[in-house]
Amino acid sequence: GAVVSQHPSRVICKSGTSVKIECRSLDFQATTMFWYRQFPKKSLMLMATSNEGSKATYEQGVEKDKFLINHASLTLSTLTVTSAHPEDSSFYICSATRLGGYNEQFFGPGTRLTVL
Amino acid sequence: KQEVTQIPAALSVPEGENLVLNCSFTDSAIYNLQWFRQDPGKGLTSLLLIQSSQREQTSGRLNASLDKSSGRSTLYIAASQPGDSATYLCAVDNTDKLIFGTGTRLQVFP
Repeated sequence: GAVVSQHPSRVICKSGTSVKIECRSLDFQATTMFWYRQFPKKSLMLMATSNEGSKATYEQGVEKDKFLINHASLTLSTLTVTSAHPEDSSFYICSATRLGGYNEQFFGPGTRLTVL
Repeated sequence: KQEVTQIPAALSVPEGENLVLNCSFTDSAIYNLQWFRQDPGKGLTSLLLIQSSQREQTSGRLNASLDKSSGRSTLYIAASQPGDSATYLCAVDNTDKLIFGTGTRLQVFP
């Protein structure tokens, strides 16, 4: 159990467009979901933490108006990159924790975003 | 501010060797520590999670230890195989956030 999926796995878009990435917990209810980004050969950097039904908490330096996070249900969180630019190109990974899971995070397979 | 460092940054070994990957962290007030594996262009696979009250965890050929007081964890891989080639990340859970280390890129050649 504890499977997290992301969709799409890969997306290429033009500069100025918006892109939505979905993160779903498939077999458990996620109390909290996290969004990370990873640049090539670098480690993961936390962007924001979201709880169902409340506003996301963004890390310092992450623009909340650019990276919109919606956590509408206990199994779905979405990240929308608005007015994407080439510097937003990155690997975006979500994770989720479940009730009683000792804060263990279960990670999705990631979404590769390329902005042309 | 919690900082997590992994040594070595890269490692290349012949098949069959036993390996030790190191992870150090600056703030010992952690809830748990996790070791992950990441294949190129892929997400993370959780390998082992050690609660702050535990000293080690084992899964198959993997053994992870935790010494909170000294801010260190090691991941021991026994009898390495080419399929173990990947980047290994450690992460500490500190105030409900995971802080990741810089990773160790492991290559095991036949």
